[in-house]
Amino acid sequence: SQQGEEDPQALSIQEGENATMNCSYKTSINNLQWYRQNSGRGLVHLILIRSNEREKHSGRLRVTLDTSKKSSSLLITASRAADTASYFCATLAQGAQKLVFGQGTRLTINP
Amino acid sequence: GAGVSQSPSNKVTEKGKDVELRCDPISGHTALYWYRQSLGQGLEFLIYFQGNSAPDKSGLPSDRFSAERTGGSVSTLTIQRTQQEDSAVYLCASSTGPGLEQYFGPGTRLTVT
Repeated sequence: SQQGEEDPQALSIQEGENATMNCSYKTSINNLQWYRQNSGRGLVHLILIRSNEREKHSGRLRVTLDTSKKSSSLLITASRAADTASYFCATLAQGAQKLVFGQGTRLTINP
Repeated sequence: GAGVSQSPSNKVTEKGKDVELRCDPISGHTALYWYRQSLGQGLEFLIYFQGNSAPDKSGLPSDRFSAERTGGSVSTLTIQRTQQEDSAVYLCASSTGPGLEQYFGPGTRLTVT
């Protein structure tokens, strides 16, 4: 079964608004990562958050992790048209060596 | 330095033919992964190489799929007797170690006619 599941599957907002995407998972994790994919090609790593961390920031990105709820959220502030992409969470289960990716959230920023 | 590269970028083949997809990881990265992504879907794990350890082949969908990594660097994914359901984008990624940030190549779009 899928380890990470993103919610919503698709999100459309106006430029300048904030976008929030969520990821839920089933087993205990070592870390959780967020990736962006443009145009169905290679993914780009955004942020890695470890299981003992609760929040991380990178520019306009903010990631939170709640291990008690087995969930994470990715917030993009002051969205831009260039943020239009698919966003995937990926989890590394404890004791595992490979990431498991979710199905992704398709984000559209309208000008 | 250069990122992960993959070749070819696009491949169209006839059903039943064999294809080879190539991945050049970032120099020094010990971990290398292959994924498959169908249109609008998430990533499906195929195979994972870590250093000199035996590869994790648990994601290969059938015995028509195989992969090797020569000299701990370049990797080749081979699909024998291709089927139409093999049509997808095949992505390669490398990282400095298991479970760490992965750096992806641009992918190979395979179309089986």
